[in-house]
Amino acid sequence: AQRVTQPEKLLSVFKGAPVELKCNYSYSGSPELFWYVQYSRQRLQLLLRHISRESIKGFTADLNKGETSFHLKKPFAQEEDSAMYYCALSGGYSGAGSYQLTFGKGTKLSVIP
Amino acid sequence: NAGVTQTPKFQVLKTGQSMTLQCAQDMNHNSMYWYRQDPGMGLRLIYYSASEGTTDKGEVPNGYNVSRLNKREFSLRLESAAPSQTSVYFCASSERPQNYGYTFGSGTRLTVV
Repeated sequence: AQRVTQPEKLLSVFKGAPVELKCNYSYSGSPELFWYVQYSRQRLQLLLRHISRESIKGFTADLNKGETSFHLKKPFAQEEDSAMYYCALSGGYSGAGSYQLTFGKGTKLSVIP
Repeated sequence: NAGVTQTPKFQVLKTGQSMTLQCAQDMNHNSMYWYRQDPGMGLRLIYYSASEGTTDKGEVPNGYNVSRLNKREFSLRLESAAPSQTSVYFCASSERPQNYGYTFGSGTRLTVV
């Protein structure tokens, strides 16, 4: 079974402060990890994929297989970063031939001006 | 390029009424998904369709049915709505074999009174 844990429901930081949104996962194989962002009352948007090792909007995330973590980081928070962030895991093809994502419960990031 | 389109955006139902949520994607994706989003619960998979002609249950399928009408369209039906089905419903699609994550629709906010 695959599981994603985001231990913080709410994270408040001041503008300009560093941000770290935690994500831990449980999966026996080689997972693919994603971060999604949802701005107020909007659709979920893909922010990062671990496999692409990219930086989007100043955010980065490193997959740590030893600690089974995929924390999202940004050195200097901006007010426009305020949103709901979801970590998601894909364990590869399901038996029916699709990629299924398991989502964490989300962390609401609030950046205080 | 519209991506994933959901209709309606808002709906209020009385207990026992039925309705169908519509979803269409124009990205030629093979797989489509229905999730519900509830506060503190994150996103939970209701049903998915790995490819045209196939559908499978997800984590919370009770009270719902789906139809993969063609490659573009995947509908979700509530036969007899209950207050517990008050939620925001998201449709998503993905391609394979590359796993680039999901593209989400803008959601349907459903209230059952």
